[in-house]
Amino acid sequence: GAGVSQSPSNKVTEKGKDVELRCDPISGHTALYWYRQSLGQGLEFLIYFQGNSAPDKSGLPSDRFSAERTGGSVSTLTIQRTQQEDSAVYLCAGRDPGVPGNTIYFGEGSWLTVV
Amino acid sequence: ELKVEQNPLFLSMQEGKNYTIYCNYSTTSDRLYWYRQDPGKSLESLFVLLSNGAVKQEGRLMASLDTKARLSTLHITAAVHDLSATYFCAVVPSGTYKYIFGTGTRLKVLA
Repeated sequence: GAGVSQSPSNKVTEKGKDVELRCDPISGHTALYWYRQSLGQGLEFLIYFQGNSAPDKSGLPSDRFSAERTGGSVSTLTIQRTQQEDSAVYLCAGRDPGVPGNTIYFGEGSWLTVV
Repeated sequence: ELKVEQNPLFLSMQEGKNYTIYCNYSTTSDRLYWYRQDPGKSLESLFVLLSNGAVKQEGRLMASLDTKARLSTLHITAAVHDLSATYFCAVVPSGTYKYIFGTGTRLKVLA
């Protein structure tokens, strides 16, 4: 696709439920990032994927959070047993690692509300 | 602990005025990025600064990087209402691939 696609764009879920957020990056952008942005706050790094290398999961806030990337393209971020503090916008971004110093391109985000 | 700090956090200015937003970071890096975020929207890339002394300009915005001082500036010239948004800087520490974002500066340009 022309841009980074994320779904769902909005999700309201009950506390304790599991949610899956999907990201489809720009073709060729093999470096993929997930960030979280709470209301009125900056961006918090969650996880990074690059090709077949082991992902950098150092930003995941708890073991309720996990992410995978299938076929080097689409990525899914899963939050188990959601809590109210998980309410935020989850942003996916990609980059072409073949371009030195290249910026990362963000999707529109998935707005998660836990009630 | 790595810190990327922006100031001011909030800026309200009149149309036609000039102002500068500052981004300080606490680690070694030769790459710095500026992004714009409109309310309810995602981040849009504005500038990519890849070396000490780099300067980029687009319209009424100009960004510069001083890697020795670990400082980047985003200068606004003759502000217009359309520039109202939140501006973020991001640093990639040397030897890593993580984009670490600043706290953001919320800019409001008053007509």
